[in-house]
Amino acid sequence: QSVLTQPPSASGTPGQRVTISCSGSSSNIGSNTVNWYQQLPGTAPKLLIYSNHQRPSGVPDRFSGSKSGTSASLAISGLQSEDEADYYCAAWDDSLNGWVFGGGTKLTVL
Amino acid sequence: EVHLLASGGGLVQPGGSLRLSCAASGFPFSSYAMSWVRQAPGKGLEWVSSISGNGGSTYYANSVKGRFTISRDNYKNTLYLQMNSLRAEDTAVYYCAKLTQMIVTRGDAFDIWGQGTMVTVSS
Repeated sequence: QSVLTQPPSASGTPGQRVTISCSGSSSNIGSNTVNWYQQLPGTAPKLLIYSNHQRPSGVPDRFSGSKSGTSASLAISGLQSEDEADYYCAAWDDSLNGWVFGGGTKLTVL
Repeated sequence: EVHLLASGGGLVQPGGSLRLSCAASGFPFSSYAMSWVRQAPGKGLEWVSSISGNGGSTYYANSVKGRFTISRDNYKNTLYLQMNSLRAEDTAVYYCAKLTQMIVTRGDAFDIWGQGTMVTVSS
């Protein structure tokens, strides 16, 4: 059971906009910033969004993040087939004194 | 180019020990905190441990506290994870990951990941 809650799956057709939610509590998302990671099949995770909404160099602006209270969201617009991957949210947890991850959301591009 | 290469995984019996290594290149290793994150087969990511750039501060997940020890050799640009009293539930791919600051801070992120090394705990 993951500390952060994500839907196990999401899907969309090419060109569509998809959002993935991440729910936490006051000890993690409520008091710390949220990061998102993308894991393509068979590869290591990659940082996609940091500090709630910032994109590392090289990440397309089709990816965007937001946070409100104890929840966060990742939005992907103009969905492409290469976006098919697992997506994980993460945040520091003040009670556990470490990072916690969501269980991951498998995105399927139909 | 920034690169992390994890090694040392393998098959070990329950109760056994293993030491993982992560060789870093392409950045000033001692200037950044580092971490280990694992992923059990078919499961999600789990943070394991982090260490500050000078090695003076360490952090552990409750699931490994007292059994695993994180360390680093800044002269060899290498991160380590000593794993003792291994259990079946420690079976996972272990990734080393770089943080963006020298000290372990709440608002940080894992910006560079190695390719992972597989650890299997089984009799």
